[in-house]
Amino acid sequence: AQKITQTQPGMFVQEKEAVTLDCTYDTSDPSYGLFWYKQPSSGEMIFLIYQGSYDQQNATEGRYSLNFQKARKSANLVISASQLGDSAMYFCAMREDNFNKFYFGSGTKLNVKP
Amino acid sequence: KAGVTQTPRYLIKTRGQQVTLSCSPISGHRSVSWYQQTPGQGLQFLFEYFSETQRNKGNFPGRFSGRQFSNSRSEMNVSTLELGDSALYLCASSSGHATNEKLFFGSGTQLSVL
Repeated sequence: AQKITQTQPGMFVQEKEAVTLDCTYDTSDPSYGLFWYKQPSSGEMIFLIYQGSYDQQNATEGRYSLNFQKARKSANLVISASQLGDSAMYFCAMREDNFNKFYFGSGTKLNVKP
Repeated sequence: KAGVTQTPRYLIKTRGQQVTLSCSPISGHRSVSWYQQTPGQGLQFLFEYFSETQRNKGNFPGRFSGRQFSNSRSEMNVSTLELGDSALYLCASSSGHATNEKLFFGSGTQLSVL
């Protein structure tokens, strides 16, 4: 079974609007961390936001927030007020405490339209 | 603090050859992991080294190997190259201890096999 599932291969959003990128995960480890990374066309992976499995509140980092629904095993990324520079691939990832290994989803390509 | 450095940035090889990629982690980081990225496949985990020992391994054939030196620098080797090995190879470093610790990525080595 896939550890991380991103069901949106590509998305479009109008500049200045909000967009939600979906991510579901699968784990039986009670302790884990969820991450989102951005990959522009240059190739480098840029860390955006982190959510721990025991965190009570949803994580926020500037225009990024993580909608964490533990029971549903989902960790959706919300980008508010999209900018042209947000056009990139976005990857959801999970790290399990027991295995110390990162699992990445297949990514979502976001295009921000002016 | 210098980031993760990967060399070379681009490589062109022919089938049957072998190739060695290099990764220098952030100073103080003892964990180095390698990922293969191909279009539509997301990031696939190759292996992770911690203090010169392979700690985790993904599902890749034995043609893919790696090592880590005492200064934490790591090399990845691919022998008997196949066309399907064409990919972006990303290296990431971390201290290797905490669940909430993000990975720091290099810019990658783009390998083309002709």
